Amino acid sequence: EAAVTQSPRNKVTVTGGNVTLSCRQTNSHNYMYWYRQDTGHGLRLIHYSYGAGNLQIGDVPDGYKATRTTQEDFFLLLELASPSQTSLYFCASSDPTGGEDTQYFGPGTRLLVL
Amino acid sequence: GDSVTQTEGLVTLTEGLPVMLNCTYQTIYSNPFLFWYVQHLNESPRLLLKSFTDNKRTEHQGFHATLHKSSSSFHLQKSSAQLSDSALYYCALSSSSGSWQLIFGSGTQLTVMP
Repeated sequence: EAAVTQSPRNKVTVTGGNVTLSCRQTNSHNYMYWYRQDTGHGLRLIHYSYGAGNLQIGDVPDGYKATRTTQEDFFLLLELASPSQTSLYFCASSDPTGGEDTQYFGPGTRLLVL
Repeated sequence: GDSVTQTEGLVTLTEGLPVMLNCTYQTIYSNPFLFWYVQHLNESPRLLLKSFTDNKRTEHQGFHATLHKSSSSFHLQKSSAQLSDSALYYCALSSSSGSWQLIFGSGTQLTVMP
């Protein structure tokens, strides 16, 4: 099964702080995704990428930047964190163009913005 | 745009009773892919089952679902609920539009009581 790891697993920051969430997948998937999960809203797509250097905007991108440095690594950046960004963040990967349309999720990062 | 509707936010059942979680979708594309993901407490979402074939029953781990394009539905069923089925269930749509995004419903929290 696909392996997706995330770091840190938990993060606390203050309003206005700078946060970087990391995601790595080791299965040569071309697509990677960042989601946030909030009660009542389910999983919402922030950004996604189909390869190194590529970035696509998701459904809730405001306040977030992302960067895909390699096929394996995808980062989510919150440059001026706000309390509304307190959430559980999941990274996922898939390879739909290669026949693997299932998305495999990482363990999640719980972010608290005070 | 594409959307997925899960009408029940919370479902509580007694062990042994049948499970049915509703999922309907909207898309302009004629060949959608439909997925059910399950998320147990303190875990990440994982694929339960998926389908892109009209009127064909798909089964996995005792659960089954049939994609009905005529009614734009992909309901999840199980004949007899178990305590271990308690989890958050997401229905998701991929419209094969080339973006390879998954559109998730808001989720249904299933609680199975003894």
